Amino acid sequence: SQTIHQWPATLVQPVGSPLSLECTVEGTSNPNLYWYRQAAGRGLQLLFYSVGIGQISSEVPQNLSASRPQDRQFILSSKKLLLSDSGFYLCAWHGGGSLAGELFFGEGSRLTVL
Amino acid sequence: QQQVKQSPQSLIVQKGGISIINCAYENTAFDYFPWYQQFPGKGPALLIAIRPDVSEKKEGRFTISFNKSAKQFSLHIMDSQPGDSATYFCAASRREGAQKLVFGQGTRLTINP
Repeated sequence: SQTIHQWPATLVQPVGSPLSLECTVEGTSNPNLYWYRQAAGRGLQLLFYSVGIGQISSEVPQNLSASRPQDRQFILSSKKLLLSDSGFYLCAWHGGGSLAGELFFGEGSRLTVL
Repeated sequence: QQQVKQSPQSLIVQKGGISIINCAYENTAFDYFPWYQQFPGKGPALLIAIRPDVSEKKEGRFTISFNKSAKQFSLHIMDSQPGDSATYFCAASRREGAQKLVFGQGTRLTINP
């Protein structure tokens, strides 16, 4: 069965510090991968998606970047965090085929920038 | 045109009652409409989904009603239980391509015992 892992689960960082959130998927190959951000009391905003290694599409201009160094690994990064980067970050994958349409989410990474 | 508008923001229902959450979309190219359930501190999980070729889909106590002409869809939770207390998100996307879900703002549902 497929599983998705995100880490760290919780992170408190000062303004101006770097960020690296990691996401890995097991049990599937060549998945579409996504990073969403959920601000407090708001919906989920799509930040990046990737359809393959090294292929990254950005949905909104921002202080963050994403990379996909391996088929089942997706990384969210920042060189210098802003207060507005605080939020709950969710990685998701989409398998296609019989699962077409369903996104599977990880447990999330809660980032607080102070 | 990419927005999905969800209401209400919060909802309190008595145990055994019916919970109703509504969503409206603008992009007529959307052809996949899922509902996700999220418990505090967890990632969202797919609850039920519908495609525009049917007007209603029922799974247990959960029903999606879909009105293509009005570009609206809703989630009905029958016989609501305290364990249903969670945040619910509607979403929409096109099945083809990169499956980029556009989410509503969420509804925090509380079921009072």
